[in-house]
Amino acid sequence: DVKVTQSSRYLVKRTGEKVFLECVQDMDHENMFWYRQDPGLGLRLIYFSYDVKMKEKGDIPEGYSVSREKKERFSLILESASTNQTSMYLCASSSRGRSSYEQYFGPGTRLTVT
Amino acid sequence: GENVEQHPSTLSVQEGDSAVIKCTYSDSASNYFPWYKQELGKRPQLIIDIRSNVGEKKDQRIAVTLNKTAKHFSLHITETQPEDSAVYFCAASPNAGNMLTFGGGTRLMVKP
Repeated sequence: DVKVTQSSRYLVKRTGEKVFLECVQDMDHENMFWYRQDPGLGLRLIYFSYDVKMKEKGDIPEGYSVSREKKERFSLILESASTNQTSMYLCASSSRGRSSYEQYFGPGTRLTVT
Repeated sequence: GENVEQHPSTLSVQEGDSAVIKCTYSDSASNYFPWYKQELGKRPQLIIDIRSNVGEKKDQRIAVTLNKTAKHFSLHITETQPEDSAVYFCAASPNAGNMLTFGGGTRLMVKP
């Protein structure tokens, strides 16, 4: 069974703190993604990684960085959290194979920055 | 980059009626169009997708149509049931699904 897990379901941090969100997948997928989900705005791509140590900026990378040291793990880093980064963060993974482009999502981390 | 607009933002139907959700995209290079369903408190899951070489795809009560000329695609749900109540997201990708641009979502409510 496909599985994508995220380190926390709920997180409360203070403005200026450094925040780490971790995502692990057990499907040997090449691609991993970080999205943020806000009402009315859908899912917006923050960063995408297509291989270990490789990354591409998505639509809203400002204020975020990522790390992918191992194939199964993709971390999102908020260097200095701000209140406008309060959101639901979703991780996803997919295979680079040609048969299916399905993205499998984690359960999400609801981050509140106060 | 790609821009995807989705309408309506909310849709309420009676059980047994049909529901239609429409999306438009801006990048003519987009070639992959998935639809995800997100039930309350759960993660989004793929329900159907279509590639640009076909105009329509069906899976039981769900169908998706694609008009490449007009750059729009639609999700059709027939004989709606209360368990169809969820938020539905359309998306488009110019690179075989490696990077998706999502629409804003449609909250579908099916009244029993």
